[in-house]
Amino acid sequence: EPEVTQTPSHQVTQMGQEVILRCVPISNHLYFYWYRQILGQKVEFLVSFYNNEISEKSEIFDDQFSVERPDGSNFTLKIRSTKLEDSAMYFCASKSGVETQYFGPGTRLLVL
Amino acid sequence: GQSLEQPSEVTAVEGAIVQINCTYQTSGFYGLSWYQQHDGGAPTFLSYNALDGLEETGRFSSFLSRSDSYGYLLLQELQMKDSASYFCAVRDIDKFYFGSGTKLNVKP
Repeated sequence: EPEVTQTPSHQVTQMGQEVILRCVPISNHLYFYWYRQILGQKVEFLVSFYNNEISEKSEIFDDQFSVERPDGSNFTLKIRSTKLEDSAMYFCASKSGVETQYFGPGTRLLVL
Repeated sequence: GQSLEQPSEVTAVEGAIVQINCTYQTSGFYGLSWYQQHDGGAPTFLSYNALDGLEETGRFSSFLSRSDSYGYLLLQELQMKDSASYFCAVRDIDKFYFGSGTKLNVKP
């Protein structure tokens, strides 16, 4: 069964550094998402992406964040200057035209 | 602001039926989804309601009343593997707001 993959599974970085989180959505999907989940808390929507542009973004998704689909398969989230509070699990998700979103296994980001 | 309310924890025995409620207050509403998440895992989509009424998928059913801003997830014939957290999520166009989750403990 097709699945969403994410790399790396874990990332440790120093405050102020840039990180890029990578996702490979399911191949025929058209809609792409990034979410984050701070340990023990709810899932928070960051951004949705369709037709090579951002559809919606949350208040969390400020100027330090950006997304890109550099080729036909990858979908990336860049955090330009990480802060301690960016430490969380980051999930990528994708869907075709129907409502089922498929989540990847996540990248656990730790900012020191 | 946007708010979704769910009970924080529910306990039930194997074989029983449990209902997890969700009330929401959001600026926009296109539909209500439910997700299951095991500890350390990714959320898994369970169901979606855009219109009022009941949707059934195997042992899981989901209900929506848009006039009451209320929905619930019904799990029947509970199994130990159903022990997990369950999140409701409101879709507003292509933005999603999640509840804080309900931890379901299934006991033998």
